[in-house]
Amino acid sequence: DAKTTQPPSMDCAEGRAANLPCNHSTISGNEYVYWYRQIHSQGPQYIIHGLKNNETNEMASLIITEDRKSSTLILPHATLRDTAVYYCIVSRYSGGSNYKLTFGKGTLLTVNP
Amino acid sequence: KAGVTQTPRYLIKTRGQQVTLSCSPISGHRSVSWYQQTPGQGLQFLFEYFSETQRNKGNFPGRFSGRQFSNSRSEMNVSTLELGDSALYLCASSSLTGGADTQYFGPGTRLTVL
Repeated sequence: DAKTTQPPSMDCAEGRAANLPCNHSTISGNEYVYWYRQIHSQGPQYIIHGLKNNETNEMASLIITEDRKSSTLILPHATLRDTAVYYCIVSRYSGGSNYKLTFGKGTLLTVNP
Repeated sequence: KAGVTQTPRYLIKTRGQQVTLSCSPISGHRSVSWYQQTPGQGLQFLFEYFSETQRNKGNFPGRFSGRQFSNSRSEMNVSTLELGDSALYLCASSSLTGGADTQYFGPGTRLTVL
């Protein structure tokens, strides 16, 4: 699976948009970009995923560049409860599933009041 | 739908003992993956089960094993526990509908080995 690069930490003011970048310059055509977050000592929570097009759901938006070498996760109105480690993962669909997620160190997002 | 559940949530064992952790996937999900999370190594893939068969395995010693039952529930077993096995053990399930099969994680089992 392609390697991802994320800043180790970011701060955001409550109520503002949080934009979390991820670089995945070695991504291949059949690899998806996933975002998860993990609040301290809890299981990772799925946020969103995409292949080529931008995606939006009730939690966030995912913007993938046209060359697919980087992406940005956008939390439109960050709250204190969004403070967590955010993981950007590139995963290949193979063997009938994306069975294995390779987690890096992620970005610790701290939302400040 | 109920989410992925894991039992027990917390466990304390001593070196040399063995432990069994349980995972119930989301209803209808047939694939179950297990991960280990430690402060030093982060989140690492252990193995994946589908239709009662282990399909994929990460780079862990043979002391780590698992199984899956016909109702897709899964257990993992660690024998001859070592101090380094202290970790958060996470289970994730996915539906295998094709394409991007999102994995949904349970709350984890916190294992402490003394």
